[in-house]
Amino acid sequence: DAGITQSPRHKVTETGTPVTLRCHQTENHRYMYWYRQDPGHGLRLIHYSYGVKDTDKGEVSDGYSVSRSKTEDFLLTLESATSSQTSVYFCAISDPEDREAFFGQGTRLTVV
Amino acid sequence: GDSVTQMEGPVTLSEEAFLTINCTYTATGYPSLFWYVQYPGEGLQLLLKATKADDKGSNKGFEATYRKETTSFHLEKGSVQVSDSAVYFCALSDQGATNKLIFGTGTLLAVQP
Repeated sequence: DAGITQSPRHKVTETGTPVTLRCHQTENHRYMYWYRQDPGHGLRLIHYSYGVKDTDKGEVSDGYSVSRSKTEDFLLTLESATSSQTSVYFCAISDPEDREAFFGQGTRLTVV
Repeated sequence: GDSVTQMEGPVTLSEEAFLTINCTYTATGYPSLFWYVQYPGEGLQLLLKATKADDKGSNKGFEATYRKETTSFHLEKGSVQVSDSAVYFCALSDQGATNKLIFGTGTLLAVQP
């Protein structure tokens, strides 16, 4: 299995609070992604990174920010959580030479 | 923009039945195509892939052929097992430099003994 660790695995938080999800990889892959999974929508891209300190928005980026200060870590922050951000969040990694993406185990976030 | 459409589920089959899950895509140019599988409580795993027209991806008895003329990448398996019960996602990789994936909505497969 690709070395991808997401933390926490489960979190319940209150509306309006900030939340940070962490993705850590040991594969030295250049690209990292955050997706959210919702019924009826499959997985949708939130933000991605193509190198240290290089990030860009995906399809559903509103309300989220990211940071990548080193190759192995990619953080997703919800500045002020809302109930619509209740979802399962997946981190993924890939390399330029290989189109295959490897996924983490997911973080189930509930905003109450 | 690019998109993926796959058949709605759930699909319920008896063990040893033939499986087809339809997937069609819309894209400019020639994307790479993938099938990912998600077992309960787990992340996504790559099941198979095809990178150009007429390529056939195969793995664990599953197959899919990249059909440019019909913009399709249907998943098939000749004889399903209970252990194949999972959610299957069709996806395409954008043709830019960052390997971003665009997913279909997923199809739940339930195989009964």
